[in-house]
Amino acid sequence: DARVTQTPRHKVTEMGQEVTMRCQPILGHNTVFWYRQTMMQGLELLAYFRNRAPLDDSGMPKDRFSAEMPDATLATLKIQPSEPRDSAVYFCASGLETGTSYEQYFGPGTRLTVT
Amino acid sequence: KNQVEQSPQSLIILEGKNCTLQCNYTVSPFSNLRWYKQDTGRGPVSLTIMTFSENTKSNGRYTATLDADTKQSSLHITASQLSDSASYICVVSARTTYSGTYKYIFGTGTRLKVLA
Repeated sequence: DARVTQTPRHKVTEMGQEVTMRCQPILGHNTVFWYRQTMMQGLELLAYFRNRAPLDDSGMPKDRFSAEMPDATLATLKIQPSEPRDSAVYFCASGLETGTSYEQYFGPGTRLTVT
Repeated sequence: KNQVEQSPQSLIILEGKNCTLQCNYTVSPFSNLRWYKQDTGRGPVSLTIMTFSENTKSNGRYTATLDADTKQSSLHITASQLSDSASYICVVSARTTYSGTYKYIFGTGTRLKVLA
């Protein structure tokens, strides 16, 4: 049963610290998405990749956030320095893009708390 | 401005009853509309995906409809079960002006509670 995995599942850190979240997409999927979910804003798309190339990161605060795919089995989302307003659940999703409509499979999320 | 609005914000129904959730959008150019179910503490799970030419799509007890003219979609749940208690999120994607990329616009969701 193929699944998207994310680590860590929970992270508590102090303001100013660097945070790195990792995602392992489903093997064979060619698109990877990073989302952020808060009670106030709901789900927001931060960035997405196709074949490891960043396609759109307009939803991401560029000054502190960065997303990369060092290889096809790993996607990372980094926040440096972290701020209390970054507290949220961060989801990774992957899919196999074969047309305009394709399934996205979400991971369990990383719950980040910045104090 | 691209927007997706869902109603109601929350809904409580008795087990076995039917319900309908609404999604209105102002997204252009429209590519597809998705409905997700999100259980508390978990990632969203896709229920249906519909393109411009599709009016209805079913997934078990879930039936989604799409009216591209009025830019409205609904998700109908038949014979609700306790396990249907979750948030239901409507997402509309739009193709951007630069080729090969899409914008994903999310609704804030409807929180459904099914009572025994």
